[in-house]
Amino acid sequence: GAVVSQHPSRVICKSGTSVKIECRSLDFQATTMFWYRQFPKQSLMLMATSNEGSKATYEQGVEKDKFLINHASLTLSTLTVTSAHPEDSSFYICSAEIYHEAFFGQGTRLTVV
Amino acid sequence: AQSVTQLGSHVSVSEGALVLLRCNYSSSVPPYLFWYVQYPNQGLQLLLKYTSAATLVKGINGFEAEFKKSETSFHLTKPSAHMSDAAEYFCAVSEGGDSSYKLIFGSGTRLLVRP
Repeated sequence: GAVVSQHPSRVICKSGTSVKIECRSLDFQATTMFWYRQFPKQSLMLMATSNEGSKATYEQGVEKDKFLINHASLTLSTLTVTSAHPEDSSFYICSAEIYHEAFFGQGTRLTVV
Repeated sequence: AQSVTQLGSHVSVSEGALVLLRCNYSSSVPPYLFWYVQYPNQGLQLLLKYTSAATLVKGINGFEAEFKKSETSFHLTKPSAHMSDAAEYFCAVSEGGDSSYKLIFGSGTRLLVRP
């Protein structure tokens, strides 16, 4: 199946700094990618839809200025958590679709200290 | 609005026993339905999906699920549990069509397999 690679798998940052997470479709082009957030022992919550060449579409309650999404190419979408705070600590997962199926990255564990 | 309810945050079975994970959905349009498995600190792997074809869907690793419109259910089953099946399982729904990959997830069920 198609492969989606997410990097880094783990990151620890200081409060107030920004962190960038990359999501790459390795063997296919993805005009649309999705970013999810997962709290411990909870489900995945869709944060935003990333569209290549245009602005991302954010779900209700997700701060656009806090979670910056850039989808500059057909194989790469990035999520930048700006001015991170401890409450932003979470597991972030991206997905890309091909053949009407979503393929997920391996996730990024963000810890803000 | 679409939603998914997974009954039971934890399910514990003995190795070799039947696995039954429950999922009920709510959708105003014919849904696409999915089951995913997640191992610790990893992404999600698709087990199977229903996209309005056969109501009994067979997936990987011996899992299958049956779409029952009258019950708005899509329960996941496996005849005989294996230790390697221990993981978190998520049921998800989408509107289908061009939105088939924008998913709404249930709260998840952790499957524990006892030796």
